[in-house]
Amino acid sequence: DVKVTQSSRYLVKRTGEKVFLECVQDMDHENMFWYRQDPGLGLRLIYFSYDVKMKEKGDIPEGYSVSREKKERFSLILESASTNQTSMYLCASSLTGAKNIQYFGAGTRLSVL
Amino acid sequence: EDKVVQSPLSLVVHEGDTVTLNCSYEVTNFRSLLWYKQEKKAPTFLFMLTSSGIEKKSGRLSSILDKKELSSILNITATQTGDSAIYLCGAGSYQLTFGKGTKLSVIP
Repeated sequence: DVKVTQSSRYLVKRTGEKVFLECVQDMDHENMFWYRQDPGLGLRLIYFSYDVKMKEKGDIPEGYSVSREKKERFSLILESASTNQTSMYLCASSLTGAKNIQYFGAGTRLSVL
Repeated sequence: EDKVVQSPLSLVVHEGDTVTLNCSYEVTNFRSLLWYKQEKKAPTFLFMLTSSGIEKKSGRLSSILDKKELSSILNITATQTGDSAIYLCGAGSYQLTFGKGTKLSVIP
């Protein structure tokens, strides 16, 4: 079974803090993704990576950065957290090719106070 | 701009009813459309559909893609309370654009 693990289920941070969300997958997938999910807005892509050290902006990259130093790990960084970044963050991974099914982690619910 | 629209946004049915969820897509680089079920945790994969038009089935769930209409439906027959969830539709290639989801509530 594919396993995508996000380091925290719940996180509470203060405005202005630097926040790291970690995601690890164990299936040697090339592609990894960070989404945020908000009521009424659905899943929106923040950043994705198709290889180690490679990254591409998604639909809403402002205020976020990412790091992929190893194939299995993809980190989302909030340089200076703001209240409008309070959300559910979901990580996903997939293979490149015909079977491009994305497998999701359980999510991190981040509250910025 | 790529767009995926799901309808209805929410639905309340009684156990035993049959439901049909809709997903339409406009994406520049289409390879497949995927359906997911999300309860209070990670979205779990249900079906992947391509332009082949082949229907996919799993128990009481089935789905098909209409490549002319650029849309897909997800059918659930004889619904159970355990089917209550948000159903997500995503379309694209290795990068997917998702709709807002359909929240299905099945009441006893």
